Order: sequence, then structure tokens, then C-alpha cells
Amino acid sequence: GESVGLHLPTLSVQEGDNSIINCAYSNSASDYFIWYKQESGKGPQFIIDIRSNMDKRQGQRVTVLLNKTVKHLSLQIAATQPGDSAVYFCAETYNFNKFYFGSGTKLNVKP
Amino acid sequence: EAQVTQNPRYLITVTGKKLTVTCSQNMNHEYMSWYRQDPGLGLRQIYYSMNVEVTDKGDVPEGYKVSRKEKRNFPLILESPSPNQTSLYFCASSQLSVPPTSGEETQYFGPGTRLLVL
Repeated sequence: GESVGLHLPTLSVQEGDNSIINCAYSNSASDYFIWYKQESGKGPQFIIDIRSNMDKRQGQRVTVLLNKTVKHLSLQIAATQPGDSAVYFCAETYNFNKFYFGSGTKLNVKP
Repeated sequence: EAQVTQNPRYLITVTGKKLTVTCSQNMNHEYMSWYRQDPGLGLRQIYYSMNVEVTDKGDVPEGYKVSRKEKRNFPLILESPSPNQTSLYFCASSQLSVPPTSGEETQYFGPGTRLLVL
């Protein structure tokens, strides 16, 4: 099957610093990628997405970078806040059929 | 309010006793999906449906059934639950567009159903 993995299972950052969460994916045919945030006791929540014909996409305080050459995805959070503390998942899909999720990275924001 | 609802939220059952977890969405979404979440394994897709009467296997379909008779509902059925199906289950729905348009095909997740099979 497919594999979508993460390089860092736990990330601790100081409030106000920038955070970078990484993800590796294995299917070079995947054409759509999503980052989700999951807070304790809740379902995943969409943060930002990117199509495979793009290298970068920016949202409010978040940026997703896609490097298709090395099959790598990253989520950058600017000026990290305590409310950003959560588990972050990347997900990939081809043609919007099956979705494959990474195992997650826990982000701890220290005040 | 746009939402995905699941019932029950918590369930304790015994091996072999058939159960159904309901999922309903009020957004007229075509795409619906079930996932299970286990520690260290992230979310794994069980089944998905791209429209009424159209369902397909995800990554871990063994031991599960689904049906999609109406657009809004996508129940997950465990005919004979076993302890290895103890998990946290999420239903999700999404508008469907191929190729996807950024920002619109986000999956909306339900609150989760925590299942314990003894």
C-alpha cells in the first residue's frame, strides 16, 4: 500500500517562533495533498491543501511547500501560538479516491 | 450549521455482536469516507463512497461493511466485531471534484466514535 510518513513525531517550539512540520509521501502519482490539525478529543480539521501542479501555497499564518522531486511536503506555521498545539497530519490522494494519512506530528508550543 | 454527525460516540460491545455506527452529513456532499485511528498509525481509510450506491474499499476494509442508499448517510457495519477492531472511528464527507480545486475539497470530519470490543 501507500505510505505517508513524518520525519519528526514530536516538535516543541517556543511561542512566537516559526514551526516546520515535514512529511514524506511515496506515491509519485498523488495529485492532491492536505494538512490537517487534530486537537485532543476532536476530529481532524482542514488547515491547507495543495495540488500537485503547485509548489507552494499560503494561507493565514500557514504555508505548504511541495517538492515533487523528493516527494516531500512541509507545513510552516508562522508565529506559533499556544492554540496551535495539536497533532498535525498530512494526507495524499490520487484522483480523489483513496486517502492516505501520515502517522502524525505532535506540536507542543511552550509559552 | 454544516456538520458531520456520528452515533454513538462511545460504544462497548462484545466479540461477535453485530453493530452499526451511523454517519450523516447535511452538506449534500458526494464523497463520504470512514477511517479508523490507532496510536502510532494515524488515520487509515476503511471504505469510501463517491456517490449513492457507489462504494469502494480503502486501505483496511476487512471486517467492515458500508452502504450508501442515501446521499446524506453512510453507516459503518461490523457484522462480527473482534477485539482488533477496538479503535477510534471517524466519518468524513466532502464535495467531490476531479481534479480538485484547492480549498474546496476539504474533508469535514465527524467527532469520532470510540469503540471497545471485549
